[in-house]
Amino acid sequence: GESVGLHLPTLSVQEGDNSIINCAYSNSASDYFIWYKQESGKGPQFIIDIRSNMDKRQGQRVTVLLNKTVKHLSLQIAATQPGDSAVYFCAENADTGRRALTFGSGTRLQVQP
Amino acid sequence: ETGVTQTPRHLVMGMTNKKSLKCEQHLGHNAMYWYKQSAKKPLELMFVYSLEERVENNSVPSRFSPECPNSSHLFLHLHTLQPEDSALYLCASSPPGGDEQYFGPGTRLTVT
Repeated sequence: GESVGLHLPTLSVQEGDNSIINCAYSNSASDYFIWYKQESGKGPQFIIDIRSNMDKRQGQRVTVLLNKTVKHLSLQIAATQPGDSAVYFCAENADTGRRALTFGSGTRLQVQP
Repeated sequence: ETGVTQTPRHLVMGMTNKKSLKCEQHLGHNAMYWYKQSAKKPLELMFVYSLEERVENNSVPSRFSPECPNSSHLFLHLHTLQPEDSALYLCASSPPGGDEQYFGPGTRLTVT
C-alpha cells in the first residue's frame, strides 16, 4: 500500500469481530474530524465524519465516537470483513476557514478469515 | 470511485525532465488540493486552491508548480525533481461549504 515503509500500528482481527481504531488529536480547537480508508493502490476513501458538537455518529457498519475531553477519536467497524483490510486515517480541521485537513499517520487493519 | 480522476497513474522521470500531473473533477466542488504521500511520512498537504485562487502553499520547493485554470482542473508541474520527491501524489476536492475532501487515485511518481 501507499504507506509501505511507514511504521504503522497494526490491528489484527478475526472476520466477523468488531474493530475499534483509535486516534488522538492534538488541537483542542479542531471542530471537524473525518475518517478515511486507504486500500493498496488507491487513494483515501471517505468513510464518515463528525463535528465537534456531536459525540457519536453512525453510518453503515461504522460508528465514530468523539471524546473532546481527552481529544480522542475512534472508529468502530461492526462485523469486520476481509474487504475492510486497509490503512485507516483520521484527520482534523482545526480551522474551517482554512479548508485544510491534518492527517494522522494511520493504522493498518488486517482481517483474518 | 469518487469522481476525482488523476493522470497519469504512474510516472517515471529523470531529474532533468519536465512533466505535469493532472487532476480533474466534475462534482461541482470549488476547492482542490495536492498532497504528497511518501513511504516514511503521513499525508502532507502541498497546495490548496479555493475558487481557483491558491490559498495555501505549505513550504513546497519551487520545483513543484501548481496551476488551477478553472474549478474542475488542477495541475502540478514538475521540473528538476530529486529522487526524494518519489512518492504518491494525491489530488482531492471539496464541495462548497463542505470540509470533507474526496481523493483521486493518485499518481505514483518515481524520480530516477
